Amino acid sequence: QQQVKQSPQSLIVQKGGISIINCAYENTAFDYFPWYQQFPGKGPALLIAIRPDVSEKKEGRFTISFNKSAKQFSLHIMDSQPGDSATYFCAARRRRGGGSNYKLTFGKGTLLTVNP
Amino acid sequence: DTGVSQDPRHKITKRGQNVTFRCDPISEHNRLYWYRQTLGQGPEFLTYFQNEAQLEKSRLLSDRFSAERPKGSFSTLEIQRTEQGDSAMYLCASEYGFTDTQYFGPGTRLTVL
Repeated sequence: QQQVKQSPQSLIVQKGGISIINCAYENTAFDYFPWYQQFPGKGPALLIAIRPDVSEKKEGRFTISFNKSAKQFSLHIMDSQPGDSATYFCAARRRRGGGSNYKLTFGKGTLLTVNP
Repeated sequence: DTGVSQDPRHKITKRGQNVTFRCDPISEHNRLYWYRQTLGQGPEFLTYFQNEAQLEKSRLLSDRFSAERPKGSFSTLEIQRTEQGDSAMYLCASEYGFTDTQYFGPGTRLTVL
């Protein structure tokens, strides 16, 4: 059972354009939703994260939009740059409760290519 | 660099051999996670330590896999009698308290021939 579904699988954007990646989750117990960026040969690095008490969070060119009722969240990259070309993963987890609740459940990833 | 470190970065082994990976978390991070990532997929949870206690193991972690975190510092992941299906990137992450942020290491790329 895939608990976090991510789309699209790949995305090509022109420099300066907006990149949008979507995720949907099934487990209503999830209450922390991070986005990770991964370059080839590197481990994932936290980009931005949101908790369900807000509907939007912005950090620089990166924005997360969160729709709790639809169980969906998305990453928007404004003014996309060639240096943003990487694989992006959405993830989810429970923040409290003990045991396995702290593990991250990841989507399958989106390969973003920003053309110059 | 005070980030999460993993050793080795790459490991090529023959089927049936045993391999061991090491993870050094960020200092004072009490939580340590192991994930496995195959090509084109997101990382999948394998196991989790809080200090030296292993609190959770995924069904992905067969009896051939064992992990330890002696004294709550570094951790090792051992795979016995490796199979070709074990070929993957093995990622380690650490977290401090309830900060929510898991910091990932660069991973160990395992290739089983």
